[in-house]
Amino acid sequence: GAVVSQHPSRVICKSGTSVKIECRSLDFQATTMFWYRQFPKQSLMLMATSNEGSKATYEQGVEKDKFLINHASLTLSTLTVTSAHPEDSSFYICSAEGSGSVEQYFGPGTRLTVT
Amino acid sequence: TQLLEQSPQFLSIQEGENLTVYCNSSSVFSSLQWYRQEPGEGPVLLVTVVTGGEVKKLKRLTFQFGDARKDSSLHITAAQPGDTGLYLCAGGGNTDKLIFGTGTRLQVFP
Repeated sequence: GAVVSQHPSRVICKSGTSVKIECRSLDFQATTMFWYRQFPKQSLMLMATSNEGSKATYEQGVEKDKFLINHASLTLSTLTVTSAHPEDSSFYICSAEGSGSVEQYFGPGTRLTVT
Repeated sequence: TQLLEQSPQFLSIQEGENLTVYCNSSSVFSSLQWYRQEPGEGPVLLVTVVTGGEVKKLKRLTFQFGDARKDSSLHITAAQPGDTGLYLCAGGGNTDKLIFGTGTRLQVFP
């Protein structure tokens, strides 16, 4: 139980284009999903928290117009990196939390490379 | 700002050795979780502790939550190469958000 998938696992895009990353909870309903960014050899940095059917809450310093988050259903959240630049290259990881739970279950991550 | 400092930052040991990883904060957490992450993958939840002084065992791994719920430790007995990875503690508070520790990178050599 508590399986979270992400798609794609790797993506390479050109500077200026947009990229969408999907995060799905496969066997439970996720009332809350989180998006993290991880730089090489570093810990996870929370970017935003999304609740199904409402606007995402972004952490300080994260541009909401650049990192668009949609949480349209209890099993799917998407992160769109708009007008990507090389400095957006990173490992993006989502997690999902069920109702009443304190535990987050993580997806396998998406490696984004912007050329 | 809540911070979770992990020590050591790096640990390189031989198979069969024991080790302890520490996770410390000046803040009180309502829950604390430990994750293990392998390169190119997402973190995998190992354990959640919620009560001050709580001790949980998972095979060769022993987790302890400090009495004041500000710190935690992870002890591995007889480490194996398969234990290699990045160990992350994460504290939960009044919100759904987790505060992640700085991470401990463990390498176990055969």
